[in-house]
Amino acid sequence: ETGVTQTPRHLVMGMTNKKSLKCEQHLGHNAMYWYKQSAKKPLELMFVYNFKEQTENNSVPSRFSPECPNSSHLFLHLHTLQPEDSALYLCASSQAAGGREGGYTFGSGTRLTVV
Amino acid sequence: GEDVEQSLFLSVREGDSSVINCTYTDSSSTYLYWYKQEPGAGLQLLTYIFSNMDMKQDQRLTVLLNKKDKHLSLRIADTQTGDSAIYFCASGSSNTGKLIFGQGTTLQVKP
Repeated sequence: ETGVTQTPRHLVMGMTNKKSLKCEQHLGHNAMYWYKQSAKKPLELMFVYNFKEQTENNSVPSRFSPECPNSSHLFLHLHTLQPEDSALYLCASSQAAGGREGGYTFGSGTRLTVV
Repeated sequence: GEDVEQSLFLSVREGDSSVINCTYTDSSSTYLYWYKQEPGAGLQLLTYIFSNMDMKQDQRLTVLLNKKDKHLSLRIADTQTGDSAIYFCASGSSNTGKLIFGQGTTLQVKP
């Protein structure tokens, strides 16, 4: 276990469904991140939160809605997704907004399939 | 924007050494990282090097940093089948506070 826990591990949803991905970290970190990893594509940074405040949104479509109620929890709310949104969604955390000795700590990811 | 480049694929025989290379563009990079991703899993931090060092060794892993050329390499000695995975290089900037990841190198280890 890395100290970053993502649930669920696998999710299949229809295009009209609403679902949420959850990430929880037990490392005392202050920054949390959502990444998307598609087959044969590099890691795509989606959102960055520092001390619960969103500091980065990389032009992510509004059908993805993040929520960070506190520094330990991060959610990604999903609605009316498209099949091309099928991917591995990775959560990460760090002591501060990156670039430091510990780097990022990643969860195991949620494998999302949109049907 | 800043960029990190890696070759996409490397195939070696079990017992051989593997060398995975990476180049980066951010001159303000303070730390350079290597992550490993096994199938169906997240990224696991393998090792990292501070930018004022040129080498770091950790058991079978050796990291070499050429700061002048902005080139980073990861050498895995006595490569095992369990080393088969995707390896990501990342540069971390204390200026921007962000990690920039490469596209990952798939290491295939043949018995």
